[in-house]
Amino acid sequence: QKEVEQDPGPLSVPEGAIVSLNCTYSNSAFQYFMWYRQYSRKGPELLMYTYSSGNKEDGRFTAQVDKSSKYISLFIRDSQPSDSATYLCAMTKTGTASKLTFGTGTRLQVTL
Amino acid sequence: DAGVTQSPTHLIKTRGQQVTLRCSPKSGHDTVSWYQQALGQGPQFIFQYYEEEERQRGNFPDRFSGHQFPNYSSELNVNALLLGDSALYLCASSLEWDTTYNEQFFGPGTRLTVL
Repeated sequence: QKEVEQDPGPLSVPEGAIVSLNCTYSNSAFQYFMWYRQYSRKGPELLMYTYSSGNKEDGRFTAQVDKSSKYISLFIRDSQPSDSATYLCAMTKTGTASKLTFGTGTRLQVTL
Repeated sequence: DAGVTQSPTHLIKTRGQQVTLRCSPKSGHDTVSWYQQALGQGPQFIFQYYEEEERQRGNFPDRFSGHQFPNYSSELNVNALLLGDSALYLCASSLEWDTTYNEQFFGPGTRLTVL
């Protein structure tokens, strides 16, 4: 069983829709949770990070962490065609802060 | 300010050969991590270098080795290539090792194809 599970999609939504992306994890040692966006043939770029449980908002993006359920989410409001990319969740354990454990990634397509 | 750079962009090798990939970290960064991303998968941590030493290692065989130079740049070497080594190899740089959290900046990757 993988430490981090993520639905690979693809997920197709119309422009302007609210997108919900999710990951589950099995190890309660994970403390920092991140969402990366990866365009085709590019390296991942950090969108948001959160520490422990709670919500964090940045523009059209909201990240949620529920440690009791070992479940994290990324919401994208008013989705745009430029949001079409693969979204990767990632997390780090206490004491091994720099080693990122990634999910499989969810491919998102926002259509006009 | 140049971000993380990697070379070459693409590489084609045959089984059994050896390959060296190169990475220059973002200016001011002293820690380099390498990840392997197979098609349709998330990146998998290979190892991390700080102060020219391997500090953390993921679940990869000894065929994968690395080096960090005094200017913080790094190389990833893979010996005895297998078909399964075909992947995008990502380099990520950050500042300081073993802190509570530090953002890692990724390069564009080197796409390795093993025939």
